[in-house]
Amino acid sequence: GAVVSQHPSWVICKSGTSVKIECRSLDFQATTMFWYRQFPKQSLMLMATSNEGSKATYEQGVEKDKFLINHASLTLSTLTVTSAHPEDSSFYICSARFLTSGDTMLNEQFFGPGTRLTVL
Amino acid sequence: AQKVTQAQTEISVVEKEDVTLDCVYETRDTTYYLFWYKQPPSGELVFLIRRNSFDEQNEISGRYSWNFQKSTSSFNFTITASQVVDSAVYFCALRAWAAGNKLTFGGGTRVLVKP
Repeated sequence: GAVVSQHPSWVICKSGTSVKIECRSLDFQATTMFWYRQFPKQSLMLMATSNEGSKATYEQGVEKDKFLINHASLTLSTLTVTSAHPEDSSFYICSARFLTSGDTMLNEQFFGPGTRLTVL
Repeated sequence: AQKVTQAQTEISVVEKEDVTLDCVYETRDTTYYLFWYKQPPSGELVFLIRRNSFDEQNEISGRYSWNFQKSTSSFNFTITASQVVDSAVYFCALRAWAAGNKLTFGGGTRVLVKP
């Protein structure tokens, strides 16, 4: 299957700083990328969906000014957690989807390995 | 709205026992896809299976098997002769056009296989 990488795999930062997480599709062009957040012992919650070259669509309750998403190319999306606070500590997972069929329902979605963010 | 419910939050078994994970879903769509993913302690999601709404045939892959019952909106997953390496969190997920073709995950079931 297709490979999605994330960098860094973990990060510790001080409260008030900003953290950037990169998500790359290594062997395919991702028309759509998704960002999920997973708190300990909880499920994955979709934060936002981004299509290359356009603004991200955020899920209800997710602050777009706090979680900046840039999908500048078909292989790279970045999530920047601005002015991070301890409550932003979580496991962030990106996922990429690419067009394999005219029926978009058939498009496969591949997940990155995740980034564990700890805000002190 | 679509929803996925995994009623079992945690299951503990002894190695070689079988374990069945329940998944019940809700969607208004007639065309949808169901998935199972495994999340080991490392955190990376591992894709296990995808099944579309028109294919109700049960599937077996090694020690894994899946039972899709459209009449009860269930897509259950069984691990036969469990092994310690099966210890992980397992997520059932649903994707349907009406929900913007986005994956909706269940709450997950943590499986602990003891030697």
